[in-house]
Amino acid sequence: QKEVEQDPGPLSVPEGAIVSLNCTYSNSAFQYFMWYRQYSRKGPELLMYTYSSGNKEDGRFTAQVDKSSKYISLFIRDSQPSDSATYLCAPGLGSNYKLTFGKGTLLTVNP
Amino acid sequence: GAVVSQHPSWVICKSGTSVKIECRSLDFQATTMFWYRQFPKQSLMLMATSNEGSKATYEQGVEKDKFLINHASLTLSTLTVTSAHPEDSSFYICSALTSDSYNEQFFGPGTRLTVL
Repeated sequence: QKEVEQDPGPLSVPEGAIVSLNCTYSNSAFQYFMWYRQYSRKGPELLMYTYSSGNKEDGRFTAQVDKSSKYISLFIRDSQPSDSATYLCAPGLGSNYKLTFGKGTLLTVNP
Repeated sequence: GAVVSQHPSWVICKSGTSVKIECRSLDFQATTMFWYRQFPKQSLMLMATSNEGSKATYEQGVEKDKFLINHASLTLSTLTVTSAHPEDSSFYICSALTSDSYNEQFFGPGTRLTVL
């Protein structure tokens, strides 16, 4: 079993839709959970991160963590064509700052 | 936010030659930098952790003699792919940790290496 599982998609939605992106992980030692966005042929950019179970909201984005089920989600409200990118979940260990990336979900928001 | 640059952004080389990729933190000092490799439609795979002034720590399966990492200053780390072969063709990305946001990695734009 891979440490981080993420459905690669592709996921195609109409503009304005609510998008749900999900990952599962197996290592209960992960202490913090990052979401990165990566445009084609570019480096990832950090969207959000959270340390604990529960929800964290930032504008149109909400990150959700359920440590008991080892499940992390990113919700995008009122999706825009500019949100079209690959979204990577990346849980991390606090001891060495290493991140373990999921495969990424390719999202396309159609105008 | 913190800015990380990479140079070159794209390089093509012949098989058997060596290629050096630079990673710079432009507006902050980075005691720790990471090097990743990403194949098409695959995730980022950590290759090594680079700490300023000390030897890099390589992940299992990564050949340290093939991928030479030097972190000579708080703003510069280099990755040298020695005796490159076509299977080394990939997207190489670095990231850096800031001192005031200890677990937030800022990524460079990546370097696309093509070995002919």
